[in-house]
Amino acid sequence: GAVVSQHPSRVICKSGTSVKIECRSLDFQATTMFWYRQFPKKSLMLMATSNEGSKATYEQGVEKDKFLINHASLTLSTLTVTSAHPEDSSFYICSATDRSSYGYTFGSGTRLTVV
Amino acid sequence: DQQVKQNSPSLSVQEGRISILNCDYTNSMFDYFLWYKKYPAEGPTFLISISSIKDKNEDGRFTVFLNKSAKHLSLHIVPSQPGDSAVYFCAASAPGGGADGLTFGKGTHLIIQP
Repeated sequence: GAVVSQHPSRVICKSGTSVKIECRSLDFQATTMFWYRQFPKKSLMLMATSNEGSKATYEQGVEKDKFLINHASLTLSTLTVTSAHPEDSSFYICSATDRSSYGYTFGSGTRLTVV
Repeated sequence: DQQVKQNSPSLSVQEGRISILNCDYTNSMFDYFLWYKKYPAEGPTFLISISSIKDKNEDGRFTVFLNKSAKHLSLHIVPSQPGDSAVYFCAASAPGGGADGLTFGKGTHLIIQP
């Protein structure tokens, strides 16, 4: 149980375009989802926390107008990278929890390349 | 198919004793392994890592052991302290600077008993 599906796994886009990444909890209701970005030294940076039905809480330094997060249902959260630039190229990973237990499941991640 | 497995969802250890968290992997291409620690309502924070060219890496109270032939790694915390109570995630990556990013286990909830 506790599977989180993240799609797409890889995406290449042109500078200036927008890219949407989906994170779905397949067999549980994810009351809270987290979005991370992985940096070259492999550390994870928390970008934002989203609770179903409310606005996402962004970490300091993360542009909320650039990284749009929507958590419209208990099974789906989306991250849209708007007006993408090459420096946005990175590995983005989501995770989800139902808060009823200590369960916390990661998606498989999305490799974004902006050319 | 889970490539990184943490088979113990939870572990309870007495304060002052050694905590041993285990992680198994199936992908022989993995060459870098990391442990993350996560408190409630916070994102995971990096704890310690090990390259596949080593079999041990130590940092203070934390030591990670890697057994490549068994595709197994473990995190030892000694002595365990109350602040160590958290969820610990094992993660792995393949060569190329993590072209496919990190693959995480499902985590082990460590509870340190006073």
